[in-house]
Amino acid sequence: AQKITQTQPGMFVQEKEAVTLDCTYDTSDPSYGLFWYKQPSSGEMIFLIYQGSYDQQNATEGRYSLNFQKARKSANLVISASQLGDSAMYFCAMRDAYTIYNQGGKLIFGQGTELSVKP
Amino acid sequence: DTEVTQTPKHLVMGMTNKKSLKCEQHMGHRAMYWYKQKAKKPPELMFVYSYEKLSINESVPSRFSPECPNSSLLNLHLHALQPEDSALYLCASSQVGTSLGEQFFGPGTRLTVL
Repeated sequence: AQKITQTQPGMFVQEKEAVTLDCTYDTSDPSYGLFWYKQPSSGEMIFLIYQGSYDQQNATEGRYSLNFQKARKSANLVISASQLGDSAMYFCAMRDAYTIYNQGGKLIFGQGTELSVKP
Repeated sequence: DTEVTQTPKHLVMGMTNKKSLKCEQHMGHRAMYWYKQKAKKPPELMFVYSYEKLSINESVPSRFSPECPNSSLLNLHLHALQPEDSALYLCASSQVGTSLGEQFFGPGTRLTVL
């Protein structure tokens, strides 16, 4: 069964430092996509970055990069040069061929990591 | 335009009221979703519409009634809700039939049932 595990319920980071949020996943499907979303206290779920299972290179979007280690089934999010506005809940999510063709393409979410950036 | 809009932002209703949540997107996405989210928990899928047809109902109580009048609009009709239905309701959209690409979310409606 598909599963996403985020083992860090809460994390602190000093402003301007880099931080890594952990995510491991489980699927038997060779075709899948991994997503990271940021959810500030306002509630909006903001898409940050995507990694496809066949992508050869790690995804990057500005200060966000995804450390994709396929053999380990991990997809950690790295935020460089943290800013106060990065304080939020971060969710790792996945969907694979099974969820697309049998479950309407729903996203499987991890439990989330609450990141607090200290000034 | 990568925007999903939702109205209203906040809604307070009594257990006997009937209200509706509205979601709109103009990205040409043919899959639209309703999720329910409790504080500090991940979103839980409620419904999926694919090509304006209901494809997934995750055993949601009948007091929640979804509707997809066209490819851009998604509604969630609420009736006789319970206090435990108080939550953030998120709408999302995506392309159909591919693992590629994002699932875009709206800002959500914070619902309080008194």
